[in-house]
Amino acid sequence: QKEVEQNSGPLSVPEGAIASLNCTYSDRGSQSFFWYRQYSGKSPELIMFIYSNGDKEDGRFTAQLNKASQYVSLLIRDSQPSDSATYLCAVNKGGGFKTIFGAGTRLFVKA
Amino acid sequence: ETGVTQSPTHLIKTRGQQVTLRCSSQSGHNTVSWYQQALGQGPQFIFQYYREEENGRGNFPPRFSGLQFPNYSSELNVNALELDDSALYLCASSLGLADTQYFGPGTRLTVL
Repeated sequence: QKEVEQNSGPLSVPEGAIASLNCTYSDRGSQSFFWYRQYSGKSPELIMFIYSNGDKEDGRFTAQLNKASQYVSLLIRDSQPSDSATYLCAVNKGGGFKTIFGAGTRLFVKA
Repeated sequence: ETGVTQSPTHLIKTRGQQVTLRCSSQSGHNTVSWYQQALGQGPQFIFQYYREEENGRGNFPPRFSGLQFPNYSSELNVNALELDDSALYLCASSLGLADTQYFGPGTRLTVL
């Protein structure tokens, strides 16, 4: 079992729709959860982080965390073609442990 | 505030050679982590430096080594390069060990 799992996609949504990206993790001791966006040939760019169960909203983005289910998701509302990228989920146990990344989900937003 | 910078941008080496990649952390950040990202995969943790000491290492052989300097900049050294070392090497800095990491632009290494 991979430590952080994501559906590789591609996930294709029409412009203006909600894109839902999912991630599961195996270590129940995980404390910090991050979503990064990575355009082709570029480095990862932080979108959001979440530490507590529930929802966290930032503009068009909402991160959702359910520690009991070991599940974290990212919703992108009003998806735009410029949102087309690979979205990486990352998890950290805290206390100086390494951050583990999933393989990423490719998102295509069709104009 | 200056972001994370890396040099060089691209590098081509041949098998068996050695390479040094450099990273300058974001202003005020004392922690640097290095990652290897192969095509189509997520970043794989190589090691982390905190206040000039190595703090954690991923599943990489000893020919991958590093340094962090008093100004918190860092180097990644890879000896005896292999074809599979071809990848994007990413440096990320953070305020502390478990804090949010911010990535540099990366160094694309090609081993022929």
